[in-house]
Amino acid sequence: AQSVTQPDIHITVSEGASLELRCNYSYGATPYLFWYVQSPGQGLQLLLKYFSGDTLVQGIKGFEAEFKRSQSSFNLRKPSVHWSDAAEYFCAVGPSSGGSYIPTFGRGTSLIVHP
Amino acid sequence: NAGVTQTPKFRVLKTGQSMTLLCAQDMNHEYMYWYRQDPGMGLRLIHYSVGEGTTAKGEVPDGYNVSRLKKQNFLLGLESAAPSQTSVYFCASSWGTDTQYFGPGTRLTVL
Repeated sequence: AQSVTQPDIHITVSEGASLELRCNYSYGATPYLFWYVQSPGQGLQLLLKYFSGDTLVQGIKGFEAEFKRSQSSFNLRKPSVHWSDAAEYFCAVGPSSGGSYIPTFGRGTSLIVHP
Repeated sequence: NAGVTQTPKFRVLKTGQSMTLLCAQDMNHEYMYWYRQDPGMGLRLIHYSVGEGTTAKGEVPDGYNVSRLKKQNFLLGLESAAPSQTSVYFCASSWGTDTQYFGPGTRLTVL
């Protein structure tokens, strides 16, 4: 069965510092990978996704993520964090074509931004 | 284009009461999902649907029922609410395996 691990429950960074949120997955085939962001009191919104092709994907709000098959990872990065980036971030493995329809989410990483 | 909407936004129930949460989407998506979100647990899938008239169990289906009579609507029912069902409930929809679009959530408290 597929699984997603986000090792960090909380991460604290200073505004302007760089950010990397870790995501590791377990999946039997080529995964579809997603990062979502959840601001307080709101639903989840897609930041970026990887299906195939270039392993470095760009998303909204200046985020990017790199798919590394050899490490089963899809880490999210941002070169300079803004206070408005404080939120909960979820990594997800999407169902592949012909496989299970059920996507799997990690437990989330809470990002705290210090001024 | 409203996307995914959820009704109601907040609800307080007493143990044993029943209620229905309504999810509506206007994107003509085939797939719809119901999740619950609890602190430290991430999102857990309750039930999902891959098309009108179809439903399937997710990770935590016990105590919930669902119906998808119309493509745009996905209803989540609690027949006899329990305090353990206190949670924030999210509905989502998608085109198959692609991006999920989430509603704003329903905060449910069961006393």
